[in-house]
Parts: sequence; structure tokens; C-alpha cells
Amino acid sequence: GNSVTQMEGPVTLSEEAFLTINCTYTATGYPSLFWYVQYPGEGLQLLLKATKADDKGSNKGFEATYRKETTSFHLEKGSVQVSDSAVYFCALSPFNSGGSNYKLTFGKGTLLTVNP
Amino acid sequence: KAGVTQTPRYLIKTRGQQVTLSCSPISGHRSVSWYQQTPGQGLQFLFEYFSETQRNKGNFPGRFSGRQFSNSRSEMNVSTLELGDSALYLCASTSGLGNIQYFGAGTRLSVL
Repeated sequence: GNSVTQMEGPVTLSEEAFLTINCTYTATGYPSLFWYVQYPGEGLQLLLKATKADDKGSNKGFEATYRKETTSFHLEKGSVQVSDSAVYFCALSPFNSGGSNYKLTFGKGTLLTVNP
Repeated sequence: KAGVTQTPRYLIKTRGQQVTLSCSPISGHRSVSWYQQTPGQGLQFLFEYFSETQRNKGNFPGRFSGRQFSNSRSEMNVSTLELGDSALYLCASTSGLGNIQYFGAGTRLSVL
């Protein structure tokens, strides 16, 4: 079956540091890949997505590139801010040749804390 | 445009009781999915409804059920509650374009 593995947290950084959160996946075909972010007491917000190999998703300074050869979708940001403190989830939605398949498979989540 | 609305935000129940959670999707979205989030198991898919039909189902016991109404609003029901059902239950709606799911703030269920 499908699975997502992301690096264990927590990750603690100082403001303006470089961030990488690793994510690898196992899936058949060509899944869509996502990063979601969850702030305390809130639901999930879509951060970025990529739907095919070599696609780069980007938003709010965060980037991730869909690497089919390494089955990875690592999240990066060049300079983190205190406001980026949250839990980050890598997720995949399986390829569906016919209709639509919205079953997301999530990684365990990585807690990021950014200190001033 | 209003986002996904889940009610209630918090619930406290006792073992053996049943509970119903509600989800109103973004206007125009016809697909609604439900997820359970716990510290131990993380985020797990419960089921997805589209046009009042369950289209996908996760690996949860039959105590977990759901339905969708003609206006796309969805409810999920958990019968005979167990302590392990304590979790954040998240609902997500999808327009059908780009496979993007938009999540509500969740309902936090505590079973005592």
C-alpha cells in the first residue's frame, strides 16, 4: 500500500536558519504530493503541492520538488521565521486513472519550533 | 467564500455513548472526506463521500459511519464509544480540481 515517511521531530531552529524536512514515499503510479501545515488548535492548511515528476511546489518561501527517481518530496525554506513554528505533514494522493481519489496518506508530522 | 465548517469544536462523551459530528463543505464542493488524528497513529483516513455515496473507506471498524446529504453537508457517527476514540476528527472538502483538500478546524472528541 501507499506510505509516507518523514523525518522525526521535533526540529528547533533559530530565526533565519535554513530548514529542510525530509519526506519519502511509497506508491504505485504517479501520486500527487502535498505539504500541509497545522498551527496549534487549528486544522490543516495546504502549503504546497506537486502533481508530476520534477514539479516544484512553492508558497510563502517554502519549496519542495517532486523527485520520482528518489521517491522524495523534501520541504525547504531558506530563512525561517518565528511564525513558521507549526507541525508540517507530507502527504500523497494516489494516482487515479478514472475518476478522482481523494484519500490522503500522511506522514507522522514534524514539529518545527523557531526561536527568535 | 466560507471555509469548511465543523461543529461542534469540542465534545466530551463517556464510554458506550454515541456521537455525531457535522461538516459543512466549501460551497460548490461535492466531495467530503473524514480523518482521525491521534498522537499515536497520526492522521488516518476514515471515509469519503461524493454525491451522497461513500466512495472510499479506510480501515476502521463498523462503529464509524457517515453520510452525506443532498447539499453536500456530511455527518459522521461513532457508536459505542471507546477510550481510544478520543481524537481530533478532521473533515476536508474538495472541488474536484487538482485533488486539493481543504480542511476544517476539526472536532476534538474526548471519551471518558
